Amino acid sequence: DAMVIQNPRYQVTQFGKPVTLSCSQTLNHNVMYWYQQKSSQAPKLLFHYYDKDFNNEADTPDNFQSRRPNTSFCFLDIRSPGLGDAAMYLCATSSRVTQETQYFGPGTRLLVL
Amino acid sequence: AQSVTQLDSQVPVFEEAPVELRCNYSSSVSVYLFWYVQYPNQGLQLLLKYLSGSTLVKGINGFEAEFNKSQTSFHLRKPSVHISDTAEYFCAVSENNNDMRFGAGTRLTVKP
Repeated sequence: DAMVIQNPRYQVTQFGKPVTLSCSQTLNHNVMYWYQQKSSQAPKLLFHYYDKDFNNEADTPDNFQSRRPNTSFCFLDIRSPGLGDAAMYLCATSSRVTQETQYFGPGTRLLVL
Repeated sequence: AQSVTQLDSQVPVFEEAPVELRCNYSSSVSVYLFWYVQYPNQGLQLLLKYLSGSTLVKGINGFEAEFNKSQTSFHLRKPSVHISDTAEYFCAVSENNNDMRFGAGTRLTVKP
């Protein structure tokens, strides 16, 4: 089945220790998104790639970076995680034809100690 | 920019009862509207979407929603809920681009 995959599902890191979350998709969608979702809150868009074009939300902290080496993979790098970065991180994709509809992965829950 | 308001943060309901989860949006242009469901420690699953055409949209798991342009609403309904419907439900709006905005969510709890 075509899908959006996120690894790992749970990630524990230490305060200030860089961490990378990964997302892959078999849908061949050209748009990929990263959202941050804190407990009992709505998902908040961090940034998205339209093909190789990177689009950062104005209020996304510099601590968050992203890489998209090819169509299938997208990575979220947190350079120096703080306690406030503990959250669920959701990856989503959409296609060029139906850009308005986003398909989500299962998420990675990040814990910062 | 578009925005979404989900009027109820929590909705408790008994099994087999009907339920309505309310959603209102604001936008200056035509919009696409969505309902997603999120089970604990899971991603978001698309329940249904309104793009154009018939204002009554049917989705998965027996849910349906009605787009009301004059009231700028997109309420989600199910005539008879199950225990397995217990989850967080998010309403979202998109203005035909990559910018989807979510409501704060409604936690539906179905009690036996």
